[in-house]
Amino acid sequence: QKEVEQNSGPLSVPEGAIASLNCTYSDRGSQSFFWYRQYSGKSPELIMFIYSNGDKEDGRFTAQLNKASQYVSLLIRDSQPSDSATYLCAVNIGNNNDMRFGAGTRLTVKP
Amino acid sequence: ETGVTQTPRHLVMGMTNKKSLKCEQHLGHNAMYWYKQSAKKPLELMFVYNFKEQTENNSVPSRFSPECPNSSHLFLHLHTLQPEDSALYLCASSLGPGETQYFGPGTRLLVL
Repeated sequence: QKEVEQNSGPLSVPEGAIASLNCTYSDRGSQSFFWYRQYSGKSPELIMFIYSNGDKEDGRFTAQLNKASQYVSLLIRDSQPSDSATYLCAVNIGNNNDMRFGAGTRLTVKP
Repeated sequence: ETGVTQTPRHLVMGMTNKKSLKCEQHLGHNAMYWYKQSAKKPLELMFVYNFKEQTENNSVPSRFSPECPNSSHLFLHLHTLQPEDSALYLCASSLGPGETQYFGPGTRLLVL
Protein backbone atom coordinates (compact mmCIF):
# COMPACT_ATOMS: atom_id res chain seq x y z
CA GLN A 1 0.00 0.00 0.00
CA LYS A 2 1.31 3.43 -0.92
CA GLU A 3 1.93 5.76 2.00
CA VAL A 4 -0.22 8.52 0.51
CA GLU A 5 -2.75 7.84 -2.23
CA GLN A 6 -4.67 10.22 -4.42
CA ASN A 7 -6.71 9.77 -7.55
CA SER A 8 -4.54 11.10 -10.35
CA GLY A 9 -7.50 12.47 -12.23
CA PRO A 10 -7.90 14.46 -14.27
CA LEU A 11 -10.87 15.85 -12.38
CA SER A 12 -12.92 18.26 -14.42
CA VAL A 13 -15.57 20.56 -12.94
CA PRO A 14 -17.47 23.51 -14.37
CA GLU A 15 -16.78 27.01 -13.13
CA GLY A 16 -18.70 27.76 -9.96
CA ALA A 17 -19.01 24.11 -8.92
CA ILE A 18 -17.50 22.42 -5.88
CA ALA A 19 -14.34 20.42 -6.53
CA SER A 20 -13.69 17.56 -4.13
CA LEU A 21 -10.19 16.12 -3.84
CA ASN A 22 -9.48 13.04 -1.77
CA CYS A 23 -6.45 11.50 -0.12
CA THR A 24 -5.86 8.41 2.00
CA TYR A 25 -2.77 7.57 4.02
CA SER A 26 -1.34 4.43 5.53
CA ASP A 27 0.38 5.55 8.77
CA ARG A 28 -2.19 5.55 11.56
CA GLY A 29 0.15 7.64 13.70
CA SER A 30 0.28 10.59 11.28
CA GLN A 31 -0.60 13.87 12.92
CA SER A 32 -0.07 16.57 10.29
CA PHE A 33 -1.74 16.87 6.92
CA PHE A 34 -1.14 19.40 4.17
CA TRP A 35 -2.61 20.38 0.84
CA TYR A 36 -0.36 21.97 -1.76
CA ARG A 37 -1.24 23.37 -5.17
CA GLN A 38 1.20 23.09 -8.05
CA TYR A 39 0.72 24.92 -11.31
CA SER A 40 2.36 23.45 -14.38
CA GLY A 41 6.07 24.27 -14.41
CA LYS A 42 5.97 25.78 -10.92
CA SER A 43 6.84 24.55 -7.44
CA PRO A 44 4.23 23.46 -4.89
CA GLU A 45 2.64 26.16 -2.75
CA LEU A 46 0.84 25.54 0.51
CA ILE A 47 -2.93 25.95 0.52
CA MET A 48 -3.65 24.81 4.03
CA PHE A 49 -2.81 22.35 6.76
CA ILE A 50 -4.96 20.46 9.23
CA TYR A 51 -4.08 18.63 12.42
CA SER A 52 -7.43 17.86 14.07
CA ASN A 53 -10.38 15.75 13.04
CA GLY A 54 -13.17 17.70 11.41
CA ASP A 55 -13.30 20.61 9.02
CA LYS A 56 -11.04 23.60 8.62
CA GLU A 57 -12.15 26.43 6.39
CA ASP A 58 -10.07 29.13 4.71
CA GLY A 59 -11.93 31.22 2.17
CA ARG A 60 -13.17 28.98 -0.63
CA PHE A 61 -11.13 26.04 0.65
CA THR A 62 -12.19 23.49 3.27
CA ALA A 63 -9.95 20.68 4.48
CA GLN A 64 -11.61 17.70 6.10
CA LEU A 65 -9.79 15.15 8.23
CA ASN A 66 -10.97 11.79 9.49
CA LYS A 67 -8.15 10.02 11.30
CA ALA A 68 -10.23 6.92 12.04
CA SER A 69 -10.71 6.39 8.32
CA GLN A 70 -7.22 7.72 7.49
CA TYR A 71 -8.75 10.10 5.04
CA VAL A 72 -8.22 13.77 4.28
CA SER A 73 -10.01 15.81 1.64
CA LEU A 74 -10.00 19.27 0.14
CA LEU A 75 -13.14 21.01 -1.06
CA ILE A 76 -12.92 24.02 -3.32
CA ARG A 77 -16.14 26.02 -3.46
CA ASP A 78 -17.07 28.28 -6.37
CA SER A 79 -14.27 26.80 -8.47
CA GLN A 80 -12.51 29.20 -10.81
CA PRO A 81 -10.45 28.49 -13.94
CA SER A 82 -7.46 29.81 -11.99
CA ASP A 83 -7.88 26.84 -9.63
CA SER A 84 -6.83 24.52 -12.46
CA ALA A 85 -3.66 22.87 -11.17
CA THR A 86 -2.36 19.69 -9.60
CA TYR A 87 -3.24 19.33 -5.92
CA LEU A 88 -0.80 17.44 -3.73
CA CYS A 89 -1.72 15.82 -0.46
CA ALA A 90 1.16 15.52 2.03
CA VAL A 91 1.27 13.62 5.30
CA ASN A 92 3.89 13.46 8.01
CA ILE A 93 4.83 9.89 8.82
CA GLY A 94 7.09 7.99 11.13
CA ASN A 95 9.23 9.07 14.05
CA ASN A 96 11.18 11.59 11.95
CA ASN A 97 8.00 13.34 10.86
CA ASP A 98 9.09 12.96 7.23
CA MET A 99 6.64 14.41 4.77
CA ARG A 100 5.31 12.05 2.13
CA PHE A 101 3.47 13.35 -0.90
CA GLY A 102 0.75 11.76 -2.95
CA ALA A 103 1.08 11.68 -6.71
CA GLY A 104 -1.35 14.58 -6.99
CA THR A 105 -4.77 15.09 -8.55
CA ARG A 106 -4.96 17.22 -11.64
CA LEU A 107 -7.95 19.54 -11.51
CA THR A 108 -9.38 21.38 -14.52
CA VAL A 109 -12.05 24.02 -14.01
CA LYS A 110 -13.86 24.73 -17.26
CA PRO A 111 -15.30 28.21 -17.90
CA GLU B 1 7.67 32.24 -2.57
CA THR B 2 10.80 34.37 -2.53
CA GLY B 3 11.75 33.04 0.91
CA VAL B 4 13.48 30.06 -0.72
CA THR B 5 15.68 30.62 -3.76
CA GLN B 6 17.35 28.09 -6.01
CA THR B 7 20.03 28.43 -8.65
CA PRO B 8 20.37 27.67 -11.43
CA ARG B 9 16.76 27.48 -12.59
CA HIS B 10 17.68 25.35 -15.57
CA LEU B 11 20.67 23.08 -16.13
CA VAL B 12 21.76 20.88 -19.00
CA MET B 13 24.70 18.60 -18.35
CA GLY B 14 26.45 15.65 -19.88
CA MET B 15 26.89 12.40 -18.03
CA THR B 16 30.54 13.13 -17.31
CA ASN B 17 30.01 16.64 -15.97
CA LYS B 18 30.10 17.80 -12.38
CA LYS B 19 27.69 20.51 -11.30
CA SER B 20 26.11 21.83 -8.13
CA LEU B 21 22.63 23.04 -7.28
CA LYS B 22 22.25 25.74 -4.68
CA CYS B 23 19.40 26.54 -2.34
CA GLU B 24 19.11 29.42 0.10
CA GLN B 25 16.32 30.18 2.54
CA HIS B 26 15.64 33.54 4.14
CA LEU B 27 12.92 32.37 6.51
CA GLY B 28 14.97 31.58 9.60
CA HIS B 29 14.13 27.90 9.26
CA ASN B 30 16.17 25.09 10.73
CA ALA B 31 15.32 22.20 8.42
CA MET B 32 16.03 21.95 4.70
CA TYR B 33 15.12 19.31 2.15
CA TRP B 34 15.94 18.13 -1.36
CA TYR B 35 13.15 16.55 -3.44
CA LYS B 36 13.14 15.07 -6.92
CA GLN B 37 10.05 15.42 -9.08
CA SER B 38 9.86 13.36 -12.26
CA ALA B 39 7.02 13.43 -14.71
CA LYS B 40 3.98 11.44 -13.59
CA LYS B 41 5.62 10.52 -10.27
CA PRO B 42 5.10 11.75 -6.72
CA LEU B 43 7.60 14.06 -5.12
CA GLU B 44 10.48 11.95 -3.87
CA LEU B 45 12.24 13.02 -0.69
CA MET B 46 16.00 12.74 -1.18
CA PHE B 47 17.74 14.35 1.80
CA VAL B 48 16.77 16.05 5.03
CA TYR B 49 18.92 18.35 7.12
CA ASN B 50 17.95 19.61 10.56
CA PHE B 51 20.25 22.18 12.18
CA LYS B 52 22.87 21.38 9.51
CA GLU B 53 22.87 17.68 10.38
CA GLN B 54 21.70 15.16 7.82
CA THR B 55 18.82 13.20 9.30
CA GLU B 56 17.59 11.38 6.23
CA ASN B 57 19.13 9.87 3.14
CA ASN B 58 16.36 8.21 1.26
CA SER B 59 18.44 5.55 -0.51
CA VAL B 60 19.75 8.12 -2.95
CA PRO B 61 22.59 7.03 -5.30
CA SER B 62 26.02 8.33 -4.38
CA ARG B 63 26.20 10.36 -7.59
CA PHE B 64 24.07 12.86 -5.63
CA SER B 65 25.99 14.42 -2.75
CA PRO B 66 24.36 16.97 -0.44
CA GLU B 67 26.11 19.63 1.59
CA CYS B 68 24.65 21.89 4.25
CA PRO B 69 27.22 24.40 5.54
CA ASN B 70 24.66 26.26 7.66
CA SER B 71 20.93 26.35 8.27
CA SER B 72 20.35 28.81 5.43
CA HIS B 73 22.23 27.09 2.62
CA LEU B 74 21.92 23.70 1.01
CA PHE B 75 23.78 22.30 -1.96
CA LEU B 76 23.34 19.25 -4.12
CA HIS B 77 26.52 18.18 -5.88
CA LEU B 78 26.00 16.17 -9.04
CA HIS B 79 28.49 13.93 -10.85
CA THR B 80 28.30 11.20 -13.47
CA LEU B 81 24.53 11.48 -13.68
CA GLN B 82 22.34 9.33 -15.87
CA PRO B 83 19.63 10.47 -18.31
CA GLU B 84 16.99 9.09 -15.93
CA ASP B 85 18.14 11.66 -13.38
CA SER B 86 16.57 14.36 -15.53
CA ALA B 87 13.84 15.91 -13.37
CA LEU B 88 12.80 18.97 -11.41
CA TYR B 89 14.86 19.25 -8.23
CA LEU B 90 13.09 21.12 -5.49
CA CYS B 91 14.49 22.52 -2.30
CA ALA B 92 12.25 23.20 0.69
CA SER B 93 12.66 24.48 4.21
CA SER B 94 10.64 24.37 7.40
CA LEU B 95 10.93 25.68 10.91
CA GLY B 96 11.49 22.14 12.09
CA PRO B 97 10.70 18.53 11.18
CA GLY B 98 6.99 18.03 10.72
CA GLU B 99 6.32 21.73 10.19
CA THR B 100 4.96 23.29 7.02
CA GLN B 101 7.49 23.16 4.21
CA TYR B 102 8.03 26.03 1.82
CA PHE B 103 9.43 25.27 -1.59
CA GLY B 104 11.88 27.04 -3.84
CA PRO B 105 11.16 27.45 -7.56
CA GLY B 106 13.19 24.36 -8.45
CA THR B 107 16.00 23.54 -10.84
CA ARG B 108 14.96 21.78 -14.02
CA LEU B 109 17.78 19.39 -14.86
CA LEU B 110 18.36 17.67 -18.17
CA VAL B 111 21.08 15.04 -18.41
CA LEU B 112 22.19 14.21 -21.93
